Amino acid sequence: SAVISQKPSRDICQRGTSLTIQCQVDSQVTMMFWYRQQPGQSLTLIATANQGSEATYESGFVIDKFPISRPNLTFSTLTVSNMSPEDSSIYLCSVQQGSNQPQHFGDGTRLSIL
Amino acid sequence: GQQLNQSPQSMFIQEGEDVSMNCTSSSIFNTWLWYKQEPGEGPVLLIALYKAGELTSNGRLTAQFGITRKDSFLNISASIPSDVGIYFCAGVASGAGSYQLTFGKGTKLSVIP
Repeated sequence: SAVISQKPSRDICQRGTSLTIQCQVDSQVTMMFWYRQQPGQSLTLIATANQGSEATYESGFVIDKFPISRPNLTFSTLTVSNMSPEDSSIYLCSVQQGSNQPQHFGDGTRLSIL
Repeated sequence: GQQLNQSPQSMFIQEGEDVSMNCTSSSIFNTWLWYKQEPGEGPVLLIALYKAGELTSNGRLTAQFGITRKDSFLNISASIPSDVGIYFCAGVASGAGSYQLTFGKGTKLSVIP
């Protein structure tokens, strides 16, 4: 399966600031996704990162708060904007190489907001 | 949205014991996936199931896609300390996009040496 690299692996940020998380894949993939995993919880899909167009957001998530870019088939970014302590979570990138293939995950970005 | 009921929520077992966990849904799923997540890492795919009734093994792990397409189980035989982690089931519901994964809440496994 593809090798997925996420940066940074963790960060501690001040409230009101923004952080951009990068996801790099070592091969071209059809689909890229961003998930949030709150402490001790399961994974919740934030959005699908669409190559060359605006991301598709799930209910409860909006572009102003979580802008996403996907300039090509191997790279995507997620920005967490105007952070508050409630945004403290693990943010995970996943990729899917075809419609009948499973998703594979990066190691996540552990974000704490003070 | 779709919901998956995963049980048990946590397990404490002795090394060498077998483990069983399952996921159920009120809706039909086309795909069932089982992942393991260890501290500081992302979920790692263990087994993928695509057909009702399918039984698939990966070493000491065995998973089955329920015949009704509304459930799946994961068994771990002869557990060892490195089996510790959180196991998540995930599925693609019938009628959903092929990428639209729904996750269970996870089963936290602790193995006592």
